[in-house]
Amino acid sequence: AQSVTQLDSHVSVSEGTPVLLRCNYSSSYSPSLFWYVQHPNKGLQLLLKYTSAATLVKGINGFEAEFKKSETSFHLTKPSAHMSDAAEYFCVVSLYTSGTYKYIFGTGTRLKVLA
Amino acid sequence: EPEVTQTPSHQVTQMGQEVILRCVPISNHLYFYWYRQILGQKVEFLVSFYNNEISEKSEIFDDQFSVERPDGSNFTLKIRSTKLEDSAMYFCASSQGFSEAFFGQGTRLTVV
Repeated sequence: AQSVTQLDSHVSVSEGTPVLLRCNYSSSYSPSLFWYVQHPNKGLQLLLKYTSAATLVKGINGFEAEFKKSETSFHLTKPSAHMSDAAEYFCVVSLYTSGTYKYIFGTGTRLKVLA
Repeated sequence: EPEVTQTPSHQVTQMGQEVILRCVPISNHLYFYWYRQILGQKVEFLVSFYNNEISEKSEIFDDQFSVERPDGSNFTLKIRSTKLEDSAMYFCASSQGFSEAFFGQGTRLTVV
């Protein structure tokens, strides 16, 4: 069965230092993977997506992620954290089943950025 | 940029009452979804809708829930008799299927 595992429920970094949010997936075929961000009391915004093109994907706000099939990982990174990056981040895998597409969410990682 | 619109942003209802959450998906999308997020918990799949019928539903989506696309533009989620545990943020989403889902800003449902 397809699933995603976000290894850290909380991550704290200092402003200006790198961010690493980890995601591992389980899929019986080549998946489509996404990272979404949710700021407090806001909706879900797409950060970036992997859909079997380039394995290094660049997204908005300086974020990027690398699809590594051998490690079944899709970790999210940013070279330098900004205070505005504090939010909840969700790794999502999509699958085609029962004649429809379905998006399965990881449990989320709450990113805290310290001044 | 096209977006998914949800109304209302916040709904307070008494236990046992019916509520209808409304969504306007992106116009050329074919797949429609409802998800919910109980405060502090993960985002859970409720139901998917394609070609005017339910494609898949989760265990959460019991007989108290229903969805409808009444007029080709709106997509609604009805909860027939609300319970306290239905209190959550409900997200509508739409997609073309092969790529990302676009989510609305959510409706926060509070059952008192």
